[in-house]
Amino acid sequence: KNQVEQSPQSLIILEGKNCTLQCNYTVSPFSNLRWYKQDTGRGPVSLTIMTFSENTKSNGRYTATLDADTKQSSLHITASQLSDSASYICVVSAGYKLSFGAGTTVTVRA
Amino acid sequence: EAGVAQSPRYKIIEKRQSVAFWCNPISGHATLYWYQQILGQGPKLLIQFQNNGVVDDSQLPKDRFSAERLKGVDSTLKIQPAKLEDSAVYLCASIQGVNNEQFFGPGTRLTVL
Repeated sequence: KNQVEQSPQSLIILEGKNCTLQCNYTVSPFSNLRWYKQDTGRGPVSLTIMTFSENTKSNGRYTATLDADTKQSSLHITASQLSDSASYICVVSAGYKLSFGAGTTVTVRA
Repeated sequence: EAGVAQSPRYKIIEKRQSVAFWCNPISGHATLYWYQQILGQGPKLLIQFQNNGVVDDSQLPKDRFSAERLKGVDSTLKIQPAKLEDSAVYLCASIQGVNNEQFFGPGTRLTVL
């Protein structure tokens, strides 16, 4: 069964600090791994997409890494801002079939 | 480019009533998804269309849920009759290619009383 597990379930950080979110998956065959940001009351928005041959990708203060051998990914947020408060969802694709993690809720406090 | 459009944004109904949601994907996107997202959880796939054909509806409760995508563009998702546990956000998404970005609509928040 294709599964995507994220940790931690939630975290609270102070504005300006860094944090790292984890994603482990068992999806096969593997096409790509995506990280989404979902603000409260909105649909998810894509942050990064990584294929098998990519092991890191950045989007501003967001940096995603992928280890396809261990089937692990991380999302690092640098110098957090209040607007980073959201749910971050890891999604692994097997072709057009996408498996979603439950998400990590990040709260940034001033 | 215009995003994925959904309507209505909010809907409140009583159990056993019926409800329909509408989605207009990004122009040219052949693959369209409907997801159900319960508070605190990730989206759960209900149905996936490729053009106007169903690719995956294995998790769609077919006794009460139905969906169609006539002409391979707009799509509607219907629930009849609704149950309390159907209260959730229903998200529509579309994608052009397997490694391309998947775009989500704003969702429809359904409350069943």
